[in-house]
Amino acid sequence: DTAVSQTPKYLVTQMGNDKSIKCEQNLGHDTMYWYKQDSKKFLKIMFSYNNKELIINETVPNRFSPKSPDKAHLNLHINSLELGDSAVYFCASSQQDEGYTGWSYGYTFGSGTRLTVV
Amino acid sequence: GENVGLHLPTLSVQEGDNSIINCAYSNSASDYFIWYKQESGKGPQFIIDIRSNMDKRQGQRVTVLLNKTVKHLSLQIAATQPGDSAVYFCAESTSNYGGATNKLIFGTGTLLAVQP
Repeated sequence: DTAVSQTPKYLVTQMGNDKSIKCEQNLGHDTMYWYKQDSKKFLKIMFSYNNKELIINETVPNRFSPKSPDKAHLNLHINSLELGDSAVYFCASSQQDEGYTGWSYGYTFGSGTRLTVV
Repeated sequence: GENVGLHLPTLSVQEGDNSIINCAYSNSASDYFIWYKQESGKGPQFIIDIRSNMDKRQGQRVTVLLNKTVKHLSLQIAATQPGDSAVYFCAESTSNYGGATNKLIFGTGTLLAVQP
């Protein structure tokens, strides 16, 4: 019954490798996100998709490529991993309010993927 | 736990007391605000939200106050319990992108430590 689930929970990999993180939401939401949390707990948005369409790309290096095969899934592929990519990556989803432009309901986060690049 | 050594602003309270966590937000155009609780090793958990057409909203044991004049948000937790110990984040959002999405901008986070 997990609302926003992401896999894997932990990922340890060497510099230069390519890796993917998967995310699925069963809330019926139409918008999904990737956020990055650094070692100081600072959370920052990376990407947002609405109904499979990229809406926000927050000046993330193009080594990061999100893919949304359908509105319930948003995966994150990272090429040529660097030490500075080590962080916790959170997937989230929300339902946009059609009655008022811009408000969201039920903005929900997954439990995170801790990526360690060595 | 993983919060040791983080040097986050910390609020230490006794069990049973009320807690008030404050947040200053940056964008006067922000019109939607959320408080999140993040326990060690977990994702941010939604606590309560408020829209800019309100100045107060209450939930179960929690109250959020919004002061748009000074761009200040607070979270009040009544009868704080050991299970409330966590990092608390405020987040602000602006209605742009044609309503297709909400980019949340998070504050620094406050560590709430509840002493039994």
